[in-house]
Amino acid sequence: GESVGLHLPTLSVQEGDNSIINCAYSNSASDYFIWYKQESGKGPQFIIDIRSNMDKRQGQRVTVLLNKTVKHLSLQIAATQPGDSAVYFCAENRAGAGSYQLTFGKGTKLSVIP
Amino acid sequence: DTGVSQDPRHKITKRGQNVTFRCDPISEHNRLYWYRQTLGQGPEFLTYFQNEAQLEKSRLLSDRFSAERPKGSFSTLEIQRTEQGDSAMYLCASSLERRGRTEAFFGQGTRLTVV
Repeated sequence: GESVGLHLPTLSVQEGDNSIINCAYSNSASDYFIWYKQESGKGPQFIIDIRSNMDKRQGQRVTVLLNKTVKHLSLQIAATQPGDSAVYFCAENRAGAGSYQLTFGKGTKLSVIP
Repeated sequence: DTGVSQDPRHKITKRGQNVTFRCDPISEHNRLYWYRQTLGQGPEFLTYFQNEAQLEKSRLLSDRFSAERPKGSFSTLEIQRTEQGDSAMYLCASSLERRGRTEAFFGQGTRLTVV
């Protein structure tokens, strides 16, 4: 079946560097995407979202890019900090079709080296 | 604390026993979701309520699982005759109705261990 997946399971970056986490999705009907951060023992924390009518959205230190042509989503974290260490999930949704369930990928573990 | 609250945080039960989890969503949120997460995996959708109506159910939700949201506020998820394969983190999320967006906020989860 169609699913959301991630290119890399782990990512190590030096503190202060920028991080890029990638996600591929295969359901062309998906029209809404969210990035979540999950720390050990905690529930997923909303970071940023983007609708399919946009290709870029910026938040505080984070930017999400959406390339619908190749069905690719990325999360960029500027000036990565030790507190950014966590597992990051992308999730997709077909809100336009009246569905409210999110389909999550497996996650990328981000480790920040002090 | 105005976030999504789940109780208990941890539950250990013997195989065959019934368990019930509670979720209190963010007060103004009319949508409530249950997800299940196993180690190393992303959350998997189980079911969704809009107010008190259960509108979507995953095929993961076997007949041993039942969820309710009787007054459109808190929700319970019951698992009957638990099996070891039910061991997982059960996550609740809530959201406001927004056109084209499902900005769901998650609770800390209930970790279930079936022994």
